[in-house]
Amino acid sequence: GENVEQHPSTLSVQEGDSAVIKCTYSDSASNYFPWYKQELGKGPQLIIDIRSNVGEKKDQRIAVTLNKTAKHFSLHITETQPEDSAVYFCAASINTDKLIFGTGTRLQVFP
Amino acid sequence: GAGVSQSPSNKVTEKGKDVELRCDPISGHTALYWYRQRLGQGLEFLIYFQGNSAPDKSGLPSDRFSAERTGESVSTLTIQRTQQEDSAVYLCASSSRTGSMKTQYFGPGTRLLVL
Repeated sequence: GENVEQHPSTLSVQEGDSAVIKCTYSDSASNYFPWYKQELGKGPQLIIDIRSNVGEKKDQRIAVTLNKTAKHFSLHITETQPEDSAVYFCAASINTDKLIFGTGTRLQVFP
Repeated sequence: GAGVSQSPSNKVTEKGKDVELRCDPISGHTALYWYRQRLGQGLEFLIYFQGNSAPDKSGLPSDRFSAERTGESVSTLTIQRTQQEDSAVYLCASSSRTGSMKTQYFGPGTRLLVL
């Protein structure tokens, strides 16, 4: 079955710097890759997603890139702000069915 | 509009007891998912319902776990003879089967502690 690995497990950046979180997946049939943000005590919230027919997608300060050949995808957050501090999860699925999640990255943005 | 709701928000039980966790999906969402999140870890898929199709139960960790869904609305996850390793946050998500992305929207979760 699908396996998703996520790095780093923790990431600390200064406000205004960029943050990059990387994931790899194992099943070449996976074609949908969402990223979720989870704040303490809350359920995960979708922040951006990408399908396998697209290499990059941007939404304001957030971007996701996908390399299908290498089975890598990454989340890029520019101009980080303290409110970006949270745990971020990547996931992979086939046809947006059950999601297989990475182990999460705890991002801390220091003012 | 209203999001996914789950109840109870917290549940403390004794080892060996049965528990029922409830999920109310977003109105009109035909797909419903249950995930488990152990402390400090990622989410593990448990079970998936889509309309009237047979559910995908491939993630259920043992036969002590079961789930039901009434039509395209409420779902109940039941854990029988709870064990301490069942302690986790149980998250429910729902999605529409229309549109190209079919985003899964998560509820706040039920925090289960088995003593």
